[in-house]
Amino acid sequence: DAGITQSPRHKVTETGTPVTLRCHQTENHRYMYWYRQDPGHGLRLIHYSYGVKDTDKGEVSDGYSVSRSKTEDFLLTLESATSSQTSVYFCAISGWTGRSNTEAFFGQGTRLTVV
Amino acid sequence: EDKVVQSPLSLVVHEGDTVTLNCSYEVTNFRSLLWYKQEKKAPTFLFMLTSSGIEKKSGRLSSILDKKELFSILNITATQTGDSAIYLCVHSGAGSYQLTFGKGTKLSVIP
Repeated sequence: DAGITQSPRHKVTETGTPVTLRCHQTENHRYMYWYRQDPGHGLRLIHYSYGVKDTDKGEVSDGYSVSRSKTEDFLLTLESATSSQTSVYFCAISGWTGRSNTEAFFGQGTRLTVV
Repeated sequence: EDKVVQSPLSLVVHEGDTVTLNCSYEVTNFRSLLWYKQEKKAPTFLFMLTSSGIEKKSGRLSSILDKKELFSILNITATQTGDSAIYLCVHSGAGSYQLTFGKGTKLSVIP
């Protein structure tokens, strides 16, 4: 299994509080992604990173920020959590063959509940 | 905007049945199509398809890509209750870092 871990695995937080989710990989893969998964929407990309300090927005980036200060860690921050951000969050990683991305490997997910 | 559409969205079959899951796509700069299985946790990788007409197989699962008609199918023969999951079809584009997911097909296999 690919070496990718997410923390925490479960979190309950109050509306308006900041929350940071961590994704850590041991594969030295170039690309890292944060997705959220909600019923009826499938997996939607929040932000992704294509290298240290290189990040970009996905389709549902409002209310989220990310940072990648080293290859192995990709942090997702909710600056001020809202109930609409209650979701399951997945981190994924993929490598580069020289021509294309490899398949993506996913972390176990973080279930976040904002009350 | 790249789009991946899966059908059906849900499917209930009996053990032993054979099922076919469909995935059509409209994308720019196609590179590969991937299939994942998701049970109650993270999606796990099944197949990557890059060439048209070449079947990928793993046990009772197989998949094939038609780049002319822009679709892929995932076949599962002799289904078992352990095959119950959401199956995700994903496009990985050339020159793009992003993965475009379909909404998934929820397969339920009943004894």
